[in-house]
Amino acid sequence: GAVVSQHPSRVICKSGTSVKIECRSLDFQATTMFWYRQFPKQSLMLMATSNEGSKATYEQGVEKDKFLINHASLTLSTLTVTSAHPEDSSFYICSARSGRAQETQYFGPGTRLLVL
Amino acid sequence: GQNIDQPTEMTATEGAIVQINCTYQTSGFNGLFWYQQHAGEAPTFLSYNVLDGLEEKGRFSSFLSRSKGYSYLLLKELQMKDSASYLCVSMDSNYQLIWGAGTKLIIKP
Repeated sequence: GAVVSQHPSRVICKSGTSVKIECRSLDFQATTMFWYRQFPKQSLMLMATSNEGSKATYEQGVEKDKFLINHASLTLSTLTVTSAHPEDSSFYICSARSGRAQETQYFGPGTRLLVL
Repeated sequence: GQNIDQPTEMTATEGAIVQINCTYQTSGFNGLFWYQQHAGEAPTFLSYNVLDGLEEKGRFSSFLSRSKGYSYLLLKELQMKDSASYLCVSMDSNYQLIWGAGTKLIIKP
């Protein structure tokens, strides 16, 4: 099946710093990438949808200036958590889909962020 | 509104069979997915149904009834590694995924 990677897998940072998370589709072209956040024992929450070459569409309640998303190529999307605070500590997961909207999303392994 | 209902937790015995049910209400319908998620890991794709009926894939099978807004995931010959959360996910008319909260499956020896 399709492979999606994320980097880093785990990051610990101080409050106020910015953290960049990369999501790559390794063996297919991802026209659409999704960013999710998951708090412990809760379901995934969609943060934003990004299409290659265009601005991301953010879900209600997600601050676009805090969570910067760049989808500059068909294989790479980045999520930057700016001025991170302890409440941003979470499991961030990206997924990617190629072509048709009804196709399966393939998930990256996730990035665990801990803000001290 | 859009809603996915599935049991919070289920327990089964190693080697047995378990069925995880899911009912959904979405604005339009473009398919029903099941994902498996082990603790601390990202979800992995298990199945996709868009037509009524049963899809079998090894030890796992998934069933869909569009008229009833109902699906189930059937796991046979349970193994300890099957202990995980199973997420029922519906795709609406805008191809957006509507996520259930997941069913935590506990396998006992």
